[in-house]
Amino acid sequence: EAQVTQNPRYLITVTGKKLTVTCSQNMNHEYMSWYRQDPGLGLRQIYYSMNVEVTDKGDVPEGYKVSRKEKRNFPLILESPSPNQTSLYFCASRGLAINEQFFGPGTRLTVL
Amino acid sequence: AQSVTQPDIHITVSEGASLELRCNYSYGATPYLFWYVQSPGQGLQLLLKYFSGDTLVQGIKGFEAEFKRSQSSFNLRKPSVHWSDAAEYFCAVGRGYGNKLVFGAGTILRVKS
Repeated sequence: EAQVTQNPRYLITVTGKKLTVTCSQNMNHEYMSWYRQDPGLGLRQIYYSMNVEVTDKGDVPEGYKVSRKEKRNFPLILESPSPNQTSLYFCASRGLAINEQFFGPGTRLTVL
Repeated sequence: AQSVTQPDIHITVSEGASLELRCNYSYGATPYLFWYVQSPGQGLQLLLKYFSGDTLVQGIKGFEAEFKRSQSSFNLRKPSVHWSDAAEYFCAVGRGYGNKLVFGAGTILRVKS
């Protein structure tokens, strides 16, 4: 089944403790993105990647890092999480010839 | 800069009544437009999309949307709402061949019986 998977689905952590949220897609898509969803703000793009080793900032990149070492994986790294990063995070992917993004199930992160 | 406005934060309709959710966008070029639905605790599901051609687009679950360039709008409609349609709905515009989606703030739909 074609899908985007994220792990973990739920995470509670404390300020300053580094964490990684993994994202993987099995559709051989070139583009991958990370979004965060906050009430009243919709979804906002954090980072995106156009292919392996090619990443760029979205609208709200501060406090986040990403890497794209393999085509299928696009992990989101929070080096020193803070409470304002408490949010619902979505990973998405899109093929080069397909103008539609496929979203993962979301990761709910709480930073205490 | 691209932006999407969904003027209604909450909408309540009776089951069986018609529905229209409003979406206005700001984008310099021909937009790629999308409607997504998010049920409570769930991820995003694509309802429909517009890239070009016929301005009335049919989607899943009986939804349709009409692109009106002159009004910069892409309103979502359904002739008869079911209780299972209660969810949050997001309008989005795609930039750069859809690589980046700019989302509206969302409209929460409540369905009363």
